[in-house]
Amino acid sequence: DAKTTQPTSMDCAEGRAANLPCNHSTISGNEYVYWYRQIHSQGPQYIIHGLKNNETNEMASLIITEDRKSSTLILPHATLRDTAVYYCIVRGPGGTSYGKLTFGQGTILTVHP
Amino acid sequence: DGGITQSPKYLFRKEGQNVTLSCEQNLNHDAMYWYRQDPGQGLRLIYYSQIVNDFQKGDIAEGYSVSREKKESFPLTVTSAQKNPTAFYLCASSIPPGARSRNQPQHFGDGTRLSIL
Repeated sequence: DAKTTQPTSMDCAEGRAANLPCNHSTISGNEYVYWYRQIHSQGPQYIIHGLKNNETNEMASLIITEDRKSSTLILPHATLRDTAVYYCIVRGPGGTSYGKLTFGQGTILTVHP
Repeated sequence: DGGITQSPKYLFRKEGQNVTLSCEQNLNHDAMYWYRQDPGQGLRLIYYSQIVNDFQKGDIAEGYSVSREKKESFPLTVTSAQKNPTAFYLCASSIPPGARSRNQPQHFGDGTRLSIL
């Protein structure tokens, strides 16, 4: 699975959009980009995933660049409850064919009042 | 609502004791997983099961055992052979990864925090 690079931490004001970047320059054509978040002492929560088209659901939007080497998770109106560690994961059929998710260090997003 | 339930939330183990962590899901998922998370680190896969009565070792299976007698349940036993069991244990489930379903996300429970007395 491709390696991902995320900033260690980011801040965002409550009510503003939070834009979390992720670099995955070694992504291959059949690998998906997944985003999860983990609030302290809870299990990871699935947010969104995509292959090459931009995706939107009730939680967030995922923008994937045309060359697929990077993506951005957008929380359109951040709230204090969005403070968490956000993980960008790339997963495909090679190697970890049993579906293992490999979590890196993630981005600590802090939403301020 | 469908989801994954892990119990207990906190568990304490005495030296030489086996303990069992419960994981139940009502999402009708065939695949289930156990991960371990240590402070400030990512998740490491302990065991996984793609179907009832079948399971496979993950990356750090030594000192752990599992069973998968029912689709809904995937209990994890931390044996006395696991010398460093203090960690946050997470159970997940998904539609099994396969040629047409590899993009299905895993859904997680809220974890069990295990400590040594």
